[in-house]
Amino acid sequence: EAGVVQSPRYKIIEKKQPVAFWCNPISGHNTLYWYRQNLGQGPELLIRYENEEAVDDSQLPKDRFSAERLKGVDSTLKIQPAELGDSAVYLCASSKRTGGQEKLFFGSGTQLSVL
Amino acid sequence: GESVGLHLPTLSVQEGDNSIINCAYSNSASDYFIWYKQESGKGPQFIIDIRSNMDKRQGQRVTVLLNKTVKHLSLQIAATQPGDSAVYFCAETSETSGSRLTFGEGTQLTVNP
Repeated sequence: EAGVVQSPRYKIIEKKQPVAFWCNPISGHNTLYWYRQNLGQGPELLIRYENEEAVDDSQLPKDRFSAERLKGVDSTLKIQPAELGDSAVYLCASSKRTGGQEKLFFGSGTQLSVL
Repeated sequence: GESVGLHLPTLSVQEGDNSIINCAYSNSASDYFIWYKQESGKGPQFIIDIRSNMDKRQGQRVTVLLNKTVKHLSLQIAATQPGDSAVYFCAETSETSGSRLTFGEGTQLTVNP
């Protein structure tokens, strides 16, 4: 069974440019998460989807970040415009359902460098 | 706010020794705990989990101990191997936080051959 697939693996952009990340979760996993991981720290949740509905986006900086999961499967996370402080690894994860006590399976992440 | 943190940022052990990685949490409502292993350039990988109604759970070469009285969690790795070298994160969640998994800062484990 394929794991969570993310692309691209690396992205280097100049500040003020837009950038997008793509995630394909594990087949059958209804819940999808986007996390941001700064160097040396644990991941922090940005947004959680249950099917196509964003059920927890309280930590998503909505002035510049947006996400979508139109058909309840693949998801994209966008930053526009990017700032220097956005440099981090953006991780996508999925689980079969939500409600706590669920194992999250992570992709390898997209490493973003904003110059 | 509530947080999950680790006592030691780095741990270096000899191959074959047992490793113990510790984690403290502050949310008394936490009811589910997970240990993740993250190798360089990869996403966190699930190792083992434990629910708050348990004190100990064993897996293959790994054991997680939970002490709810002092809000402490530990991961024991038996016969540590070079392939165990990675950053280890504890994470917790609770019904009050829904499915929001809160991660600690991580411990870098280095296994010397």
